Amino acid sequence: EEQLVESGGGLVQPGGSLRLSCAASGFTFGSYWMSWVRQAPGKGLEWVANVKEDGSEKFYVDSVKGRFTISRDNTKNSLYLQMNSLRAEDTAVYYCARASSGRYGRDDCWGQGTLVTVSS
Amino acid sequence: QSVVTQPPSASGTPGQRVTISCSGSSSNIGSNTVNWYQQLPGTAPKLLIYRNNQRPSGVPDRFSGSKSGTSASLAISGLQSEDEADYYCAAWDDSLNGYVFGTGTKVTVL
Repeated sequence: EEQLVESGGGLVQPGGSLRLSCAASGFTFGSYWMSWVRQAPGKGLEWVANVKEDGSEKFYVDSVKGRFTISRDNTKNSLYLQMNSLRAEDTAVYYCARASSGRYGRDDCWGQGTLVTVSS
Repeated sequence: QSVVTQPPSASGTPGQRVTISCSGSSSNIGSNTVNWYQQLPGTAPKLLIYRNNQRPSGVPDRFSGSKSGTSASLAISGLQSEDEADYYCAAWDDSLNGYVFGTGTKVTVL
């Protein structure tokens, strides 16, 4: 069964850091672009970042550029999101997703999400 | 605020046809294919339509997508109670160099 499982969410103070992880199983992780998508409480979906199969290309939404870093380790079938200088507006459920059409999306496998709360 | 807009809500009775619009620009929908996602309450999103009008395996043919110019639409025919969910369109934006989701539409089955 194809599966993505996020971890690493939690409560963090403004200005703090957090690292999210996403463990993939049931498919050839290294053959797919991967994405992070977030959803603030009661709000819509917002794409955060994506990364090419080999990690050579990365794209970010403007609001997280310079603060967040997406990375992957294909030997561990894992995707990461390093989040620094966190702000209240970063509070959201963060989903990892497999993008079967590369940077063009077609996110056909999603994790269950991990909640990040930025508050003092 | 997203650069791709959808109506906030749509509704219909069981068996009816409901259509959701998705309006973008030349840099996103006008240049790239559109994907649609369904998010049932309290769950992760699910891919519903990809490349404008393609259904992943397992998605009922009651769901169909289309695209014309800088707009796209999702149609649900034979509306069922289990279709009550939030629906999002999305496309790559060449100007933003990012993937953009629409504002989302909540479908209610009356």
